[in-house]
Amino acid sequence: GENVEQHPSTLSVQEGDSAVIKCTYSDSASNYFPWYKQELGKRPQLIIDIRSNVGEKKDQRIAVTLNKTAKHFSLHITETQPEDSAVYFCAASMDNDMRFGAGTRLTVKP
Amino acid sequence: GAVVSQHPSRVICKSGTSVKIECRSLDFQATTMFWYRQFPKQSLMLMATSNEGSKATYEQGVEKDKFLINHASLTLSTLTVTSAHPEDSSFYICSATYHAGRHQPQHFGDGTRLSIL
Repeated sequence: GENVEQHPSTLSVQEGDSAVIKCTYSDSASNYFPWYKQELGKRPQLIIDIRSNVGEKKDQRIAVTLNKTAKHFSLHITETQPEDSAVYFCAASMDNDMRFGAGTRLTVKP
Repeated sequence: GAVVSQHPSRVICKSGTSVKIECRSLDFQATTMFWYRQFPKQSLMLMATSNEGSKATYEQGVEKDKFLINHASLTLSTLTVTSAHPEDSSFYICSATYHAGRHQPQHFGDGTRLSIL
């Protein structure tokens, strides 16, 4: 089955700096890669996703890149703000079978 | 759009009690619903996948007689933790997708924090 690894487990940045979170997956058949943000005690919320036929996608301060050959994908957050502080999960999916990474706790210091 | 409602948000009960958690898709028909368990500061662990009108598919190591899942309609799935014990205490969260097949995000409920005394 699919195995998703996520790094780093914790990340602390200064407000305004960029944050990068990286994930690798094992199953080359995975074709959909969403990223979720989860604040403490709340539901995970989809922030951006990318499909396997696309190499990069951007939405304002958030971008995701996908390297299918290397089987890794990354989340980039620019101009970080304190409200970006949360746990971020990557996931890899094929036909509704979605597996999550272990999560990255991002702290943005004001 | 794509709102998922989960109830109750918090349950505290005695050991041996059975607890039912409901997951509803409010503004879409959910062809597939998922149940996850999340331990503190850990990732989402998939417990089972349920499709409307059919039996749930459980992940390895998840006891189907312990965690009963019913997906009776396209908008409702329930998880019943039977004869709950302290080790069942956890955060349970459901999600739903509204199209079968590829490239579909999962929309999550708010989760249920279960505490067994």
